[in-house]
Amino acid sequence: AQKITQTQPGMFVQEKEAVTLDCTYDTSDPSYGLFWYKQPSSGEMIFLIYQGSYDQQNATEGRYSLNFQKARKSANLVISASQLGDSAMYFCAMREASGRGGSNYKLTFGKGTLLTVNP
Amino acid sequence: GAGVSQSPRYKVAKRGQDVALRCDPISGHVSLFWYQQALGQGPEFLTYFQNEAQLDKSGLPSDRFFAERPEGSVSTLKIQRTQQEDSAVYLCASSFGAQSYGYTFGSGTRLTVV
Repeated sequence: AQKITQTQPGMFVQEKEAVTLDCTYDTSDPSYGLFWYKQPSSGEMIFLIYQGSYDQQNATEGRYSLNFQKARKSANLVISASQLGDSAMYFCAMREASGRGGSNYKLTFGKGTLLTVNP
Repeated sequence: GAGVSQSPRYKVAKRGQDVALRCDPISGHVSLFWYQQALGQGPEFLTYFQNEAQLDKSGLPSDRFFAERPEGSVSTLKIQRTQQEDSAVYLCASSFGAQSYGYTFGSGTRLTVV
């Protein structure tokens, strides 16, 4: 079974509008972390935002916020006031605290969503 | 430098050739990771170093893949007898600790095996 599912291969948004990128996850570990990364065409993975499974409040970082719904196992990324420079691939990832063999450092990524911001 | 540096940026290898990919992590970062990103996919874990110790190599696809970090800083990922299925972007990431909130990734090496 997929541990991280991103159902939107591509998304389009008008500049200055908000957009939500979907992510659902699957784990039986009670302690885990959820990450969002941005990958522009240049290739590097840029860390955007982190949500811990025990965090009471949704994470926010500037124009990025994470809509964390634990019971539904979803961790959607919301980008407010989209900018042309937001056009990129976006990856959701999970790190389980007690991964197999104690590997609590591995990131498991989804397949990504390609966001295009139109002027 | 300020970020994680990877070289070469692009590598074209003939099938059967050996290649070596280099990663310069951020100075002082103890943890170093290699990930493989196939076209249209998310990155997949290959191996993990804590200083010079390779603590996990469970993601290496075959014994043709070998990674080292002899002095706890620069790391090299070596692929012997390259095959077409090895074509991918190889990403290196580093962090102060294995459980850091956000690993810093390099721009990757795009390997094409022809």
